[in-house]
Amino acid sequence: AQSVTQPDIHITVSEGASLELRCNYSYGATPYLFWYVQSPGQGLQLLLKYFSGDTLVQGIKGFEAEFKRSQSSFNLRKPSVHWSDAAEYFCAVGASGGSYIPTFGRGTSLIVHP
Amino acid sequence: DAGVIQSPRHEVTEMGQEVTLRCKPISGHNSLFWYRQTMMRGLELLIYFNNNVPIDDSGMPEDRFSAKMPNASFSTLKIQPSEPRDSAVYFCASTNRGGTEAFFGQGTRLTVV
Repeated sequence: AQSVTQPDIHITVSEGASLELRCNYSYGATPYLFWYVQSPGQGLQLLLKYFSGDTLVQGIKGFEAEFKRSQSSFNLRKPSVHWSDAAEYFCAVGASGGSYIPTFGRGTSLIVHP
Repeated sequence: DAGVIQSPRHEVTEMGQEVTLRCKPISGHNSLFWYRQTMMRGLELLIYFNNNVPIDDSGMPEDRFSAKMPNASFSTLKIQPSEPRDSAVYFCASTNRGGTEAFFGQGTRLTVV
């Protein structure tokens, strides 16, 4: 069975600082990996996804993530955080091949200080 | 497209009452998911439809929960009878054929008192 671990429940950064949110996955084959963002009272929006190829993927809003098979990780990064980035971030893994069923981590809440 | 549309956005009901949540997926999408989000358990997949057929309902917590998809443009999630522990945000999501991105609705916040 596939699973996702996001070890940090909360992350606090100052505006303008760099950000890295951690994600570790468990899956027997090549996974599909995703990062979603959820603003308060809203649904989930896809930031970026990895299926194959280049292990560094670029997403919307200036986010990027790197797939590291040896570490079973897919960490999300942003070089300079904006106050509007404060939200809940979810990492998800999906079975490869055909339509996937994403399994989500518990989420990391990002707090941005001015 | 208006995206995935869920109704109502908020629902407050008394314990024992029947609750029906509704979802309209994105036109042309053939897979639909119902998720439940709580502080304790995070995002849990309840049921998954493909071409209107329930494929995996192993996440449905108990017989009080049922879901239907009578056509490609509409799905319901029903709880009967409702209990306070059902209080959560329920999300619907859809993907297109062979799709690799799930588009989420804004959710229904259910409170059972």
